Amino acid sequence: SAVISQKPSRDICQRGTSLTIQCQVDSQVTMMFWYRQQPGQSLTLIATANQGSEATYESGFVIDKFPISRPNLTFSTLTVSNMSPEDSSIYLCSVETDVDSGANVLTFGAGSRLTVL
Amino acid sequence: AQSVTQLGSHVSVSEGALVLLRCNYSSSVPPYLFWYVQYPNQGLQLLLKYTSAATLVKGINGFEAEFKKSETSFHLTKPSAHMSDAAEYFCAVSSSGGYQKVTFGTGTKLQVIP
Repeated sequence: SAVISQKPSRDICQRGTSLTIQCQVDSQVTMMFWYRQQPGQSLTLIATANQGSEATYESGFVIDKFPISRPNLTFSTLTVSNMSPEDSSIYLCSVETDVDSGANVLTFGAGSRLTVL
Repeated sequence: AQSVTQLGSHVSVSEGALVLLRCNYSSSVPPYLFWYVQYPNQGLQLLLKYTSAATLVKGINGFEAEFKKSETSFHLTKPSAHMSDAAEYFCAVSSSGGYQKVTFGTGTKLQVIP
């Protein structure tokens, strides 16, 4: 399965600033997904990023707050803009693996733990 | 619409005892079901998946899960817990027909007591 590298692994940020999280995959993939994992809550899909097109955002997430880039088939970035303490969370990058089986299996990066003060 | 409910946010078992983590799903179409495990400071790893083949699915590390349509359940079991099983476990659901969104449960933290 794919190997995903995320950075930063963790960061402490000041309110009102923005942070960009990078996700690098060791193979070419069509779709990349960004999830948020808040303490005590389920993983929530933020958006799906396809190379060469605008990201598709889930309900409750907007491009101005979470701009995403997908410049090629192995890389994506997620920016958390104008951060507030409510954005403190783990952000996870994932890709679909075992595509031929059609089973929607996901592989995840280790996550980026953000703390906003 | 699809959803999963995991009963029990924390489960404690003694080393060597049976592990049972409960998951119930809701889906308007035949589901795909998954269990993922997350060790501290790591991403989620797939434990096992159900994709409409055998209802009893075996995964890694001795875990298995049984799909019961009548009960809309997909509980995760392991006959004998090991200390290394301590982690957080997530049940997830999606559906067939190309890539479909995967919906995760809230997770169950498994503690293994020596």
